[in-house]
Amino acid sequence: QSALTQPASVSGSPGQSITISCTGTSSDVGSYNLVSWYQQLPGKAPKLMIYDVSKRPSGVSNRFAGSKSGNTASLTISGLQAEDEAEYYCCSYAGTSTWLFGGGTKLTVL
Amino acid sequence: QVQLQESGPGLVKPSETLSLTCTVSGGSPSIEFWSWIRQPPGKGLEWIGSIFHTGSTNYNPSLKSRVTISLDTSRNQFSLKLTSVTAADTAVYFCARWTSELSSFDYWGQGTLVTVSS
Repeated sequence: QSALTQPASVSGSPGQSITISCTGTSSDVGSYNLVSWYQQLPGKAPKLMIYDVSKRPSGVSNRFAGSKSGNTASLTISGLQAEDEAEYYCCSYAGTSTWLFGGGTKLTVL
Repeated sequence: QVQLQESGPGLVKPSETLSLTCTVSGGSPSIEFWSWIRQPPGKGLEWIGSIFHTGSTNYNPSLKSRVTISLDTSRNQFSLKLTSVTAADTAVYFCARWTSELSSFDYWGQGTLVTVSS
């Protein structure tokens, strides 16, 4: 099992939209609609932002949206705000009750 | 509100065994999956393994030979043991709850840094 592939960094200005990709294989992202996204602020534990590819937990802003096409999942953040600056991780079910995380993407709000 | 708290030594010598405990409050380890996830300094997250309330376990294949996760429902705790540690095992270790309701890790502990060094 190899980690899911995410860009190391993305950036955007306040109010803009950005998209973070998460590429896996046909054995993980491509086979299951069990992709989740986590936001991690420096020195903090990850926070669940998206589950089941595109669903938002209660309390998460609707500026966060998830999608998937083939072996690639994506997280889109619209109306960027300074508070969105963080590290973002994707996670996918990889079969036989195992889970894979992505390498993480640092979002910078310019 | 579910809360998780990791505890254990912050320093472990190479070749020894890393042992951590996660105490669960506001919820019961008698349901859902309970997991360990780690993050080496400056790096990404790595799922270590999970235990179901039945005691059934699943481990990351890359760590499987060295990992044991156990559950003590009477104390609302679950534990991690990682044997034969090296410097590569230096990381912040998080315990987390995986819930079937959201198919994801919804509650996390604050994390504890474990350094492997002589």
